[in-house]
Amino acid sequence: NAGVTQTPKFRVLKTGQSMTLLCAQDMNHEYMYWYRQDPGMGLRLIHYSVGEGTTAKGEVPDGYNVSRLKKQNFLLGLESAAPSQTSVYFCASSKYTGELFFGEGSRLTVL
Amino acid sequence: SQQGEEDPQALSIQEGENATMNCSYKTSINNLQWYRQNSGRGLVHLILIRSNEREKHSGRLRVTLDTSKKSSSLLITASRAADTASYFCATAGNTGGFKTIFGAGTRLFVKA
Repeated sequence: NAGVTQTPKFRVLKTGQSMTLLCAQDMNHEYMYWYRQDPGMGLRLIHYSVGEGTTAKGEVPDGYNVSRLKKQNFLLGLESAAPSQTSVYFCASSKYTGELFFGEGSRLTVL
Repeated sequence: SQQGEEDPQALSIQEGENATMNCSYKTSINNLQWYRQNSGRGLVHLILIRSNEREKHSGRLRVTLDTSKKSSSLLITASRAADTASYFCATAGNTGGFKTIFGAGTRLFVKA
Protein backbone atom coordinates (compact mmCIF):
# COMPACT_ATOMS: atom_id res chain seq x y z
CA ASN A 1 0.00 0.00 0.00
CA ALA A 2 1.72 3.18 -1.21
CA GLY A 3 -0.44 5.71 0.69
CA VAL A 4 0.78 9.21 -0.21
CA THR A 5 3.69 9.53 -2.61
CA GLN A 6 5.54 12.75 -3.33
CA THR A 7 7.90 13.37 -6.24
CA PRO A 8 10.58 14.54 -6.43
CA LYS A 9 12.05 13.99 -2.96
CA PHE A 10 14.88 16.48 -3.48
CA ARG A 11 15.28 19.39 -5.84
CA VAL A 12 17.65 22.34 -6.20
CA LEU A 13 16.45 25.35 -8.19
CA LYS A 14 17.92 28.67 -9.17
CA THR A 15 15.99 31.84 -8.41
CA GLY A 16 13.36 32.43 -11.08
CA GLN A 17 13.08 28.82 -12.23
CA SER A 18 9.79 26.98 -12.14
CA MET A 19 8.90 23.51 -10.98
CA THR A 20 6.02 21.27 -10.05
CA LEU A 21 5.72 18.93 -7.08
CA LEU A 22 3.45 15.95 -7.58
CA CYS A 23 1.44 14.28 -4.87
CA ALA A 24 -0.41 11.04 -5.48
CA GLN A 25 -2.66 9.13 -3.07
CA ASP A 26 -4.22 5.71 -3.52
CA MET A 27 -6.73 5.81 -0.66
CA ASN A 28 -9.58 7.47 -2.56
CA HIS A 29 -9.46 10.43 -0.19
CA GLU A 30 -11.51 13.53 -0.91
CA TYR A 31 -9.27 16.09 0.78
CA MET A 32 -5.66 16.84 -0.15
CA TYR A 33 -3.26 19.41 1.29
CA TRP A 34 0.11 20.99 0.65
CA TYR A 35 2.11 22.21 3.65
CA ARG A 36 5.55 23.68 4.03
CA GLN A 37 7.73 23.13 7.08
CA ASP A 38 10.47 25.53 8.09
CA PRO A 39 12.65 25.21 11.21
CA GLY A 40 10.77 26.35 14.29
CA MET A 41 7.61 27.19 12.33
CA GLY A 42 5.78 23.87 12.33
CA LEU A 43 3.65 23.15 9.28
CA ARG A 44 1.94 25.95 7.41
CA LEU A 45 -0.88 25.24 4.99
CA ILE A 46 -0.24 26.47 1.45
CA HIS A 47 -3.29 25.27 -0.48
CA TYR A 48 -5.81 22.51 -0.09
CA SER A 49 -8.53 20.77 -2.04
CA VAL A 50 -11.82 19.32 -0.86
CA GLY A 51 -12.47 17.38 -4.06
CA GLU A 52 -11.54 16.84 -7.68
CA GLY A 53 -11.50 20.12 -9.58
CA THR A 54 -11.53 22.30 -6.44
CA THR A 55 -8.73 24.21 -4.72
CA ALA A 56 -8.58 26.76 -1.92
CA LYS A 57 -5.98 29.00 -0.33
CA GLY A 58 -4.40 28.16 2.98
CA GLU A 59 -2.27 30.27 5.31
CA VAL A 60 0.65 31.02 2.97
CA PRO A 61 -0.56 30.70 -0.66
CA ASP A 62 1.47 33.50 -2.31
CA GLY A 63 3.97 32.33 -4.91
CA TYR A 64 2.31 28.92 -5.33
CA ASN A 65 -0.37 27.48 -7.58
CA VAL A 66 -2.14 24.14 -7.36
CA SER A 67 -4.32 21.92 -9.47
CA ARG A 68 -6.47 18.88 -8.74
CA LEU A 69 -7.50 17.57 -12.14
CA LYS A 70 -7.75 14.00 -10.89
CA LYS A 71 -8.98 12.91 -7.48
CA GLN A 72 -5.79 11.01 -6.70
CA ASN A 73 -3.34 13.77 -7.69
CA PHE A 74 -2.60 17.21 -6.24
CA LEU A 75 0.07 19.30 -7.95
CA LEU A 76 1.95 22.22 -6.37
CA GLY A 77 3.61 24.65 -8.75
CA LEU A 78 6.20 27.34 -8.25
CA GLU A 79 6.18 29.68 -11.25
CA SER A 80 9.22 31.76 -10.28
CA ALA A 81 11.11 30.27 -7.36
CA ALA A 82 12.55 32.53 -4.66
CA PRO A 83 15.07 31.72 -1.87
CA SER A 84 12.24 32.23 0.65
CA GLN A 85 10.59 29.12 -0.80
CA THR A 86 13.46 26.93 0.36
CA SER A 87 11.64 24.50 2.62
CA VAL A 88 10.42 20.96 3.11
CA TYR A 89 7.06 20.44 1.44
CA PHE A 90 4.59 17.87 2.69
CA CYS A 91 1.53 16.59 0.97
CA ALA A 92 -1.29 14.99 2.92
CA SER A 93 -4.69 13.52 2.24
CA SER A 94 -7.73 12.72 4.35
CA LYS A 95 -11.17 11.24 3.90
CA TYR A 96 -12.84 14.35 5.25
CA THR A 97 -11.88 16.28 8.40
CA GLY A 98 -10.23 13.28 9.94
CA GLU A 99 -6.84 11.71 10.11
CA LEU A 100 -4.31 13.12 7.67
CA PHE A 101 -1.95 10.75 5.90
CA PHE A 102 1.36 12.35 4.99
CA GLY A 103 3.96 11.77 2.34
CA GLU A 104 7.64 11.66 3.26
CA GLY A 105 8.32 15.21 2.13
CA SER A 106 10.05 17.01 -0.73
CA ARG A 107 13.13 19.02 0.12
CA LEU A 108 13.47 22.10 -2.07
CA THR A 109 16.45 24.44 -2.10
CA VAL A 110 16.30 27.67 -4.07
CA LEU A 111 19.68 29.29 -4.68
CA SER B 1 -0.91 33.02 12.01
CA GLN B 2 -1.05 29.43 13.12
CA GLN B 3 -4.15 28.15 14.81
CA GLY B 4 -2.50 25.91 17.37
CA GLU B 5 0.31 26.82 19.71
CA GLU B 6 2.13 24.12 21.63
CA ASP B 7 3.74 24.46 25.02
CA PRO B 8 6.50 23.79 25.87
CA GLN B 9 8.55 24.21 22.72
CA ALA B 10 10.99 21.59 23.98
CA LEU B 11 10.87 18.97 26.73
CA SER B 12 13.60 16.69 28.03
CA ILE B 13 12.74 13.83 30.41
CA GLN B 14 14.11 10.52 31.64
CA GLU B 15 12.85 7.22 30.33
CA GLY B 16 9.91 6.03 32.40
CA GLU B 17 8.67 9.53 33.25
CA ASN B 18 5.46 11.01 31.90
CA ALA B 19 5.50 13.75 29.25
CA THR B 20 2.78 16.37 29.00
CA MET B 21 2.38 18.72 26.07
CA ASN B 22 -0.21 21.44 25.76
CA CYS B 23 -1.90 23.03 22.79
CA SER B 24 -4.00 26.18 22.59
CA TYR B 25 -6.05 27.30 19.62
CA LYS B 26 -8.00 30.35 18.59
CA THR B 27 -11.23 29.54 16.77
CA SER B 28 -14.02 26.99 17.03
CA ILE B 29 -13.10 23.51 15.88
CA ASN B 30 -14.62 20.32 14.55
CA ASN B 31 -11.84 18.18 15.98
CA LEU B 32 -8.29 18.34 17.29
CA GLN B 33 -5.58 15.91 16.34
CA TRP B 34 -2.11 15.06 17.57
CA TYR B 35 0.70 13.97 15.28
CA ARG B 36 4.22 12.72 15.75
CA GLN B 37 7.21 13.44 13.50
CA ASN B 38 10.51 11.64 13.69
CA SER B 39 13.46 13.64 12.42
CA GLY B 40 13.42 13.96 8.65
CA ARG B 41 10.20 11.99 8.21
CA GLY B 42 6.57 12.70 7.48
CA LEU B 43 4.00 13.16 10.22
CA VAL B 44 2.13 10.22 11.69
CA HIS B 45 -1.34 10.53 13.15
CA LEU B 46 -1.62 9.62 16.85
CA ILE B 47 -5.12 10.44 18.01
CA LEU B 48 -8.18 12.53 17.13
CA ILE B 49 -10.59 14.04 19.62
CA ARG B 50 -13.87 15.58 18.52
CA SER B 51 -15.20 18.85 19.84
CA ASN B 52 -17.91 17.08 21.85
CA GLU B 53 -15.40 14.78 23.58
CA ARG B 54 -13.41 15.66 26.69
CA GLU B 55 -10.91 12.83 26.96
CA LYS B 56 -9.57 10.04 24.83
CA HIS B 57 -7.06 7.24 25.36
CA SER B 58 -4.92 5.21 23.00
CA GLY B 59 -2.34 2.90 24.54
CA ARG B 60 0.08 5.10 26.52
CA LEU B 61 -1.49 8.28 25.13
CA ARG B 62 -4.14 10.34 26.86
CA VAL B 63 -5.62 13.44 25.24
CA THR B 64 -7.91 15.96 26.88
CA LEU B 65 -9.86 18.75 25.27
CA ASP B 66 -11.33 21.83 26.94
CA THR B 67 -13.31 23.77 24.35
CA SER B 68 -14.19 26.52 26.83
CA LYS B 69 -10.48 27.28 27.25
CA LYS B 70 -9.65 26.34 23.64
CA SER B 71 -6.90 24.04 24.84
CA SER B 72 -5.81 20.41 24.68
CA SER B 73 -3.13 18.32 26.32
CA LEU B 74 -1.29 15.19 25.27
CA LEU B 75 0.06 12.93 28.00
CA ILE B 76 2.52 10.15 27.16
CA THR B 77 2.90 7.81 30.11
CA ALA B 78 5.97 5.71 30.91
CA SER B 79 7.98 7.32 28.15
CA ARG B 80 10.59 5.42 26.16
CA ALA B 81 13.66 6.56 24.26
CA ALA B 82 11.75 5.67 21.07
CA ASP B 83 9.19 8.38 21.93
CA THR B 84 11.84 11.00 21.11
CA ALA B 85 10.24 13.06 18.32
CA SER B 86 8.37 16.27 17.62
CA TYR B 87 4.69 16.34 18.49
CA PHE B 88 2.16 18.60 16.78
CA CYS B 89 -1.42 19.47 17.46
CA ALA B 90 -3.69 20.25 14.53
CA THR B 91 -7.18 21.68 14.45
CA ALA B 92 -9.87 21.13 11.85
CA GLY B 93 -12.34 23.97 11.82
CA ASN B 94 -16.03 23.78 11.09
CA THR B 95 -15.95 26.82 8.83
CA GLY B 96 -13.83 27.89 5.89
CA GLY B 97 -13.64 24.56 4.08
CA PHE B 98 -12.54 22.36 6.97
CA LYS B 99 -8.85 23.05 6.50
CA THR B 100 -6.50 21.49 9.05
CA ILE B 101 -4.02 23.87 10.66
CA PHE B 102 -0.93 22.84 12.64
CA GLY B 103 0.90 24.38 15.54
CA ALA B 104 4.67 24.83 15.80
CA GLY B 105 5.18 21.62 17.77
CA THR B 106 6.90 20.37 20.91
CA ARG B 107 10.25 18.64 20.65
CA LEU B 108 10.40 15.76 23.11
CA PHE B 109 13.70 14.17 24.07
CA VAL B 110 13.57 11.04 26.21
CA LYS B 111 16.89 10.10 27.78
CA ALA B 112 17.63 6.41 28.24
